[in-house]
Amino acid sequence: GAGVSQSPSNKVTEKGKDVELRCDPISGHTALYWYRQSLGQGLEFLIYFQGNSAPDKSGLPSDRFSAERTGGSVSTLTIQRTQQEDSAVYLCASSYQQGSTLFGYTFGSGTRLTVV
Amino acid sequence: DQQVKQNSPSLSVQEGRISILNCDYTNSMFDYFLWYKKYPAEGPTFLISISSIKDKNEDGRFTVFLNKSAKHLSLHIVPSQPGDSAVYFCAASAPYNTDKLIFGTGTRLQVFP
Repeated sequence: GAGVSQSPSNKVTEKGKDVELRCDPISGHTALYWYRQSLGQGLEFLIYFQGNSAPDKSGLPSDRFSAERTGGSVSTLTIQRTQQEDSAVYLCASSYQQGSTLFGYTFGSGTRLTVV
Repeated sequence: DQQVKQNSPSLSVQEGRISILNCDYTNSMFDYFLWYKKYPAEGPTFLISISSIKDKNEDGRFTVFLNKSAKHLSLHIVPSQPGDSAVYFCAASAPYNTDKLIFGTGTRLQVFP
């Protein structure tokens, strides 16, 4: 597609349930990033995939969070046993090549997760 | 530990005047800085960037200034337009990890007629 696609756009879930958030990056982009924005906070880095390299998971806040990227394309962010503090907008971004901060990332519109 | 700080959560400017958005950083290793603009219900979009070898970069109505000694950068929008109303994030990267951007908390700009 022309842009980074994320689904669902909104998700309301009960505390303790698992959720999956999907990101479909721009075709040909080798790097994929997950960030989240909690209320009143900046964009918090979660995880980064680059080609076939091991992902940089240093930003994942707890072991309840995990992410996969299948076939170097679509990525799924999974949050297990959701907590209210997980409520945030989860943003996915992709970029063309390593070191591509020179050109900026392309972000999707995000998934607004609300844990009730 | 917030390495990139935007101390003004909001800014209100009259149409046609200059908007100045500020950003401070703590990591002297940062060598590349970007500004992103975000409208409600949309993802951030890349606006303008600057390398640490420069102190100014201009693109149309948008100019970014970098003061390395003060670890400070600013985004100037001249003249401001109502369509500029959005949240602006500054971001930084370091040469040892060029693919990971560190974002500030954002400044909400409102341009009124």
